[in-house]
Amino acid sequence: SYELTQPPSVSVSPGQTARITCSGDALPKKYAYWYQQKSGQAPVLVIYEDSKRPSGIPERFSGSSSGTMATLTISGAQVEDEADYYCYSTDSSGNRQGVFGGGTKLTVL
Amino acid sequence: QVQLVQSGAEVKKPGASVKVSCKASGYTFTSYGISWVRQAPGQGLEWMGWISAYNGNTNYAQKLQGRVTMTTDTSTSTAYMELRSLRSDDTAVYYCARVPPLMLDAFDIWGQGTMVTVSS
Repeated sequence: SYELTQPPSVSVSPGQTARITCSGDALPKKYAYWYQQKSGQAPVLVIYEDSKRPSGIPERFSGSSSGTMATLTISGAQVEDEADYYCYSTDSSGNRQGVFGGGTKLTVL
Repeated sequence: QVQLVQSGAEVKKPGASVKVSCKASGYTFTSYGISWVRQAPGQGLEWMGWISAYNGNTNYAQKLQGRVTMTTDTSTSTAYMELRSLRSDDTAVYYCARVPPLMLDAFDIWGQGTMVTVSS
């Protein structure tokens, strides 16, 4: 089955740039989506279609995709950005199966 | 405001079934889809499937095919997810999420989650 691979953890100091990667063989043909989940809360969409930001999401969140890797960048990370981040995409089969990456714990301290 | 409100926590025995509801408000229910996502304790997110509230078309995760059924009731703007033959590894928080038209993977509004515990 299709897999998306993320690093388990990323750590930055406040104000630094955090980059979280997501690799998958179908990403050259499929969009990546990014979800933020804070402890005990439901996920929140922060990036859709590789690089678009929903209304209400701070400008410091951005996304990009090149080849088999998508990247979520948080420029000037804040303490409140500490959360688990999940990438999501679909496989390239005709059945359109959705897949989440394993998640990345972002620590900002 | 736009929101999805899910039914309360459930405790089930192995082999039983569970049906979780997700009531939508603040938007035109039939203009969007609903996806279901679950999260086992301490684990990551798992996509379970999608249903169109417009015509009832579904797409289920292959892993759950034959055990899961997603339905909608447009008269009450409510989506349902039924999972049968429950096992201990089905213990998880189950989320519904709104899916905008033409963006089948942008889950833009989420319910609060429903804890389902499977235990003998």
